[in-house]
Amino acid sequence: NAGVTQTPKFQVLKTGQSMTLQCAQDMNHNSMYWYRQDPGMGLRLIYYSASEGTTDKGEVPNGYNVSRLNKREFSLRLESAAPSQTSVYFCASSEVAYNQPQHFGDGTRLSIL
Amino acid sequence: SQQGEEDPQALSIQEGENATMNCSYKTSINNLQWYRQNSGRGLVHLILIRSNEREKHSGRLRVTLDTSKKSSSLLITASRAADTASYFCATDEVSNDYKLSFGAGTTVTVRA
Repeated sequence: NAGVTQTPKFQVLKTGQSMTLQCAQDMNHNSMYWYRQDPGMGLRLIYYSASEGTTDKGEVPNGYNVSRLNKREFSLRLESAAPSQTSVYFCASSEVAYNQPQHFGDGTRLSIL
Repeated sequence: SQQGEEDPQALSIQEGENATMNCSYKTSINNLQWYRQNSGRGLVHLILIRSNEREKHSGRLRVTLDTSKKSSSLLITASRAADTASYFCATDEVSNDYKLSFGAGTTVTVRA
C-alpha cells in the first residue's frame, strides 16, 4: 500500500544542470500536483494535472515543466537548475481536483549549488 | 499566494495538555483542510470541513470554522509526544479554481 512514491529522495545539482523528479501513485486518483516547500513558508503549487492528459500552471511555474505520463505518473522537470530552486518538492494526488483530501509523498530534497 | 495564516507560529505544551491553533484566510472558500507534517515526511490529511459546516470532530481532533470571521481553529485534546509535528491549514478558494492554498504552519512540540 505505497500511496504516493517520489524518486529520488535527495539530489544535489550544479547550476545549469537538468533533472526530472518522478512521482507515481497507486490509488487510481485522477488529479496530481507538484508543490515546493521552503523554510517558513507553506507549500506553493508549481503545476497540477486535474486529469490524465491535462496540465495547468500553479502559483510558481517558472523554470519547471511537467508531464502527466499516464494516470499513475506525473513528473517534474528542471531544465536549467538555479540556486533559487533549492527546496523540498512534494508530489500529491487526489481523487478529483475539488473538495478532496490530497495524499502526499515524502518529498525530494533538492540542493542546487 | 498564501491564503491561510496560522497562529501561533510555534507552540510548546506538556503531554496531556490541549493544543489549539488558529487559521485565518482572506477570501471565500469552498472548504478548509488541516494537515500534519512530521519532520522529514510528507503532509498527512487530518480533517476537511466544508464552508456550510461549523464544527467537526475526528478522534482527539476538533475543528471549528467561522466563515463570517474567515477563521478556523484546530484543537488537539490530551496531547501525546507523537503529536509533535507541524500543522497546516489549506483553503480551497472559490476564486482560485479550487486549488489549495497552504499557510506557513504551526509547529507543535509536546514535552514528555
